[in-house]
Amino acid sequence: GAVVSQHPSRVICKSGTSVKIECRSLDFQATTMFWYRQFPKKSLMLMATSNEGSKATYEQGVEKDKFLINHASLTLSTLTVTSAHPEDSSFYICGFKRGPGGSGNTIYFGEGSWLTVV
Amino acid sequence: AQTVTQSQPEMSVQEAETVTLSCTYDTSESDYYLFWYKQPPSRQMILVIRQEAYKQQNATENRFSVNFQKAAKSFSLKISDSQLGDAAMYFCAYNGVTGSRLTFGEGTQLTVNP
Repeated sequence: GAVVSQHPSRVICKSGTSVKIECRSLDFQATTMFWYRQFPKKSLMLMATSNEGSKATYEQGVEKDKFLINHASLTLSTLTVTSAHPEDSSFYICGFKRGPGGSGNTIYFGEGSWLTVV
Repeated sequence: AQTVTQSQPEMSVQEAETVTLSCTYDTSESDYYLFWYKQPPSRQMILVIRQEAYKQQNATENRFSVNFQKAAKSFSLKISDSQLGDAAMYFCAYNGVTGSRLTFGEGTQLTVNP
């Protein structure tokens, strides 16, 4: 159980364009979803948190107009990087927290997405 | 704010031996959850083990066990009978009782030597 699917696993886009990353929980409902960014050989940096039906809460320093997060349902969250620039190139990973009563605040992660902006 | 510290950027172990990865954290909360995640070269984050702070008994999952010292705010991971597939980056993580934020340490890169 607790399978989270994220795609695309790798994407290359041109500078100035937008790219969407999708994250789905396949076998459970998620009340809270997280988006992280990871730089090479570094830890995961929380970008934003979203609850179903509510707007995402962004961490300090993360531009909400640039990184659009849509928590569409209890099983789907998307991250859209708008007007991408080369400095947005990174590894992005989503995480889902199960609904009430499930797994003690455990977050299950997708496979991650490599974004390269050229 | 909660912080998680992993003081060992790199560790190595011989296959079949035992290794312990260290983690300390800082929090003012009395109830919370602690985790160890494994990130192999594929980069997917895989849950290794979870500990509820209110439980005194240390969590175990097959060859993986923790030494949870609540007063000392220490949460180390012991890997017994190390296997080549255990080679990965290991992250210690903290989540409060509301589950609204998972905070990671900087990670420990584990190498398993044949």
